[in-house]
Amino acid sequence: EPEVTQTPSHQVTQMGQEVILRCVPISNHLYFYWYRQILGQKVEFLVSFYNNEISEKSEIFDDQFSVERPDGSNFTLKIRSTKLEDSAMYFCASNGLAGGTSTDTQYFGPGTRLTVL
Amino acid sequence: QKEVEQNSGPLSVPEGAIASLNCTYSDRGSQSFFWYRQYSGKSPELIMFIYSNGDKEDGRFTAQLNKASQYVSLLIRDSQPSDSATYLCAVSQGGSEKLVFGKGTKLTVNP
Repeated sequence: EPEVTQTPSHQVTQMGQEVILRCVPISNHLYFYWYRQILGQKVEFLVSFYNNEISEKSEIFDDQFSVERPDGSNFTLKIRSTKLEDSAMYFCASNGLAGGTSTDTQYFGPGTRLTVL
Repeated sequence: QKEVEQNSGPLSVPEGAIASLNCTYSDRGSQSFFWYRQYSGKSPELIMFIYSNGDKEDGRFTAQLNKASQYVSLLIRDSQPSDSATYLCAVSQGGSEKLVFGKGTKLTVNP
């Protein structure tokens, strides 16, 4: 069964450093998302991406964040200068057209745990 | 601000019992409703989705939607210890729109 994959599973970084989190969405999906979950809190939407453009972003997704689809399979989230409060689980998700039938169910990757020291 | 509210629990039921999980949402434009299960330290895993008012059954799980009351629920019949997890209610306006999650209800099924 197709699945969303994410690397790395755990990233430790120093405050102020740049990190890139990587995702490979399900291959025939067209819409991609990043969410984050701070420990003990709810899953929060960061950004959605379609046709090489950001569709929507939350107020969390400020100028320190960027997303990119550098090739036909990867989808990345970059945090330019990490802060302590960026420590969280980051989940990638995808959905879209599957065999011509539209589906809006979002499937989540296993997540990257980001720890900022 | 679009909100999704869930009773955080914990909800504790004995093995074999019915577990009932509830969710309310504030955005009347919501079209799609999802229940995800999340084990500690893991990602959300889809359990069910529902789009229309009424009940939808899938095995031991039944989702119920009442758009007039802005209320979604999930019933788990014959609860098993492996069902012990946090259950997340998520709502969207449909299609490629973002999911808005509740904080989740932690369910413990006691053997």
